[in-house]
Amino acid sequence: EDQVTQSPEALRLQEGESSSLNCSYTVSGLRGLFWYRQDPGKGPEFLFTLYSAGEEKEKERLKATLTKKESFLHITAPKPEDSATYLCAVQVIQTSGSRLTFGEGTQLTVNP
Amino acid sequence: DTGVSQDPRHKITKRGQNVTFRCDPISEHNRLYWYRQTLGQGPEFLTYFQNEAQLEKSRLLSDRFSAERPKGSFSTLEIQRTEQGDSAMYLCAGGQGATTEAFFGQGTRLTVV
Repeated sequence: EDQVTQSPEALRLQEGESSSLNCSYTVSGLRGLFWYRQDPGKGPEFLFTLYSAGEEKEKERLKATLTKKESFLHITAPKPEDSATYLCAVQVIQTSGSRLTFGEGTQLTVNP
Repeated sequence: DTGVSQDPRHKITKRGQNVTFRCDPISEHNRLYWYRQTLGQGPEFLTYFQNEAQLEKSRLLSDRFSAERPKGSFSTLEIQRTEQGDSAMYLCAGGQGATTEAFFGQGTRLTVV
């Protein structure tokens, strides 16, 4: 069964204090790994898709990387507006459908 | 703005009542997904449509749940005889063509009392 585990469950940072969120996965065949940001009471907002080990993508203060077993979301010099829950999801190679299997998320709080 | 609209945003219903939610993706979204999310958890897959065809359903989708996507445009998710355990955020997502990304709507928050 496909599994996605995110750590830590919650992370508190001071403004400007860089850190990383982890997403480890066990799947039969990875088609893509996705990062989403979710604010309270809202739907997930798409951030990145990574397809192969060694791939990296950046957007503002965020950089996502992928290995064969895990992905990291690096946050450089975070600001309070980066506070949100960050969700990791995997999409596996299947004969039909393309569901995403999500982890439970990391709740990030950035204090000013 | 992802272009995916959900209605209503909030729904409070009494146990045993039926409820229906609507999702309107943009016209380019030939793929449409329904997910359910409870507090502190990641979204859980419910069902997937490619155009009007329902291609995949989760084991979570009991016989009280039914989803449709007539004409491959908007979609509805109906829950019959609601139970307190159905209380959750119901999320709809659309995807375009051969790309793998899915873009979520703002969700419908269901509370069963």
